Amino acid sequence: DTAVSQTPKYLVTQMGNDKSIKCEQNLGHDTMYWYKQDSKKFLKIMFSYNNKELIINETVPNRFSPKSPDKAHLNLHINSLELGDSAVYFCASSKARGVPYEQYFGPGTRLTVT
Amino acid sequence: AQRVTQPEKLLSVFKGAPVELKCNYSYSGSPELFWYVQYSRQRLQLLLRHISRESIKGFTADLNKGETSFHLKKPFAQEEDSAMYYCALLGAGGTSYGKLTFGQGTILTVHP
Repeated sequence: DTAVSQTPKYLVTQMGNDKSIKCEQNLGHDTMYWYKQDSKKFLKIMFSYNNKELIINETVPNRFSPKSPDKAHLNLHINSLELGDSAVYFCASSKARGVPYEQYFGPGTRLTVT
Repeated sequence: AQRVTQPEKLLSVFKGAPVELKCNYSYSGSPELFWYVQYSRQRLQLLLRHISRESIKGFTADLNKGETSFHLKKPFAQEEDSAMYYCALLGAGGTSYGKLTFGQGTILTVHP
């Protein structure tokens, strides 16, 4: 019983396409996140939702749009994909926002834009 | 702004040798610090956090506010410790509240 799951695990697509990555957590957590891990393995937060409300929105191009249909799901939609979007995207969740709540990570989605 | 620095991108040691992965941070408030580990082809998972002050898999980390450091140590490295290690700081107030900032990561390789 996976705590935080993401689909798909791998995504290969062409420039200009629109794609979505889905995330689900079965931990009963209130807060969910999207992180991007680039080719140099640098991990940076993109978005965070708390009870379906956007609370963290880093300087991410507006081609990226998160959507949270309910507390257990946080999807990431990307429009007009660019080569630089190639990365591993991690979803995470925590019981609540902030200290002292640990974040639990999904397995990641490796996006390759050709 | 909060910042986490891991000065070593790569660290290699032999099995049984001591290992120390360095982490320095910059934060105006009282920091909440973590070490996360990512084994090959696995998800990122929490290794330890400074407030619990516990030892996990033989690893310990002490928060040194004077030196703004949170170095990860293990007296005798094992081959199964080979992984990517991330130091992370959780913002506790203001605009950084709830924001987890990661260092650049250190790839630890333990040779037999």
